[in-house]
Amino acid sequence: EVQLVESGGGLVQPGGSLRLSCAASGFTFSSYSMNWVRQAPGKGLEWVSYISSGGSTIYYADSVKGRFTISRDNAKNSLYLQMNSLRAEDTAVYYCARDRDNHVFDYWGQGTLVTVSS
Amino acid sequence: DIQMTQSPSSVSASVGDRVTITCRASQGISSWLAWYQQKPGKAPKLLIYAASSLQSGVPSGFSGSGSGTDFTLTISSLQPEDFATYYCQQANSFPFTFGGGTKVEIK
Repeated sequence: EVQLVESGGGLVQPGGSLRLSCAASGFTFSSYSMNWVRQAPGKGLEWVSYISSGGSTIYYADSVKGRFTISRDNAKNSLYLQMNSLRAEDTAVYYCARDRDNHVFDYWGQGTLVTVSS
Repeated sequence: DIQMTQSPSSVSASVGDRVTITCRASQGISSWLAWYQQKPGKAPKLLIYAASSLQSGVPSGFSGSGSGTDFTLTISSLQPEDFATYYCQQANSFPFTFGGGTKVEIK
């Protein structure tokens, strides 16, 4: 069974940093590209970042470019999102999502809430 | 960036009704479109990919159509478990973008 489990969310002050993790199981993690998608409270879905299966290709949404860094450790079946210079507008539930094929997200984690507030 | 516009933003319907949700892309995306269902407090669930292909395990009452800029998600006969919010997503090019969502509510 495919499972994605996010962790690392919490309350952080504006300007602070947080590192999210996503532990994958039930599939060959190293064969799949992965994404982070977020959802602000009561709002819609926003794609955040993409990383290819080997980690060589990375993309970011303009809203996080230069502040967030996506990475992965295929030996540990884990995906990460390093978030720096956090802003109030980064407050959201962050989901990791498997890239099924051609950038469709077929499995999602349960999400981890990041709250940026003083 | 490709903008995705969904309509309506909400719809009230009864069990057994046929419901149609539309999604329009600001530029052509061929068939690179997916549909997701999200229930409160839960992660989104993939329903349709490549505009009209049903994801494994998704009931056949869901169907998708369209290509280019105009797409449709149809629920042929609304079931109690179908009350949720639905999102379209373009998978044609970065940055991937979602529609604003359509909330299907009980009439």
